[in-house]
Amino acid sequence: RKEVEQDPGPFNVPEGATVAFNCTYSNSASQSFFWYRQDCRKEPKLLMSVYSSGNEDGRFTAQLNRASQYISLLIRDSKLSDSATYLCVVSLYSSASKIIFGSGTRLSIRP
Amino acid sequence: DGGITQSPKYLFRKEGQNVTLSCEQNLNHDAMYWYRQDPGQGLRLIYYSQIVNDFQKGDIAEGYSVSREKKESFPLTVTSAQKNPTAFYLCASIGSSYNEQFFGPGTRLTVL
Repeated sequence: RKEVEQDPGPFNVPEGATVAFNCTYSNSASQSFFWYRQDCRKEPKLLMSVYSSGNEDGRFTAQLNRASQYISLLIRDSKLSDSATYLCVVSLYSSASKIIFGSGTRLSIRP
Repeated sequence: DGGITQSPKYLFRKEGQNVTLSCEQNLNHDAMYWYRQDPGQGLRLIYYSQIVNDFQKGDIAEGYSVSREKKESFPLTVTSAQKNPTAFYLCASIGSSYNEQFFGPGTRLTVL
């Protein structure tokens, strides 16, 4: 089993739709969770951190479920500019080496 | 502006040649990383360094070497021993809180 797993997609949704994707992780000791966005042929950039209480940033909402070991990302009122690959990232505080990237979920927003 | 720079953006080399990719950061971060990304794949860790003059192998270190002589710099050498070196190489750094990783723009290496 992979340490961090994501549905690769692609998710193809119309503009204005709500879309959600999950990411599961295998190490119950994982401490930090993030969603990164990566545009085609570019570097990943932090979209948002994921806190135990959940957090929202505009149209984006991230949730953490420690019991089931997954994190989720919800995008409301999707825009064409949201088309990208979304990477789930899980890390342990105690080790600089244990930062694990998921393979990413491709999202395509159509007009 | 603080950030990470990588050069060159595109690099072409003949098979059998060693090549060194540059990574410089002015964020005063201790930890630096090199990742490889293949098309449609996630990032795989090649090497990382938590402090000057120290570095550790990641998951796919074979055929690569690094040095960390200065805090700001973490160059990666792709040697001729790397069997399939054509890929997108990303350098990153992280602060002492081990939260957000900052990435450079990447170097796209093509071996002909």
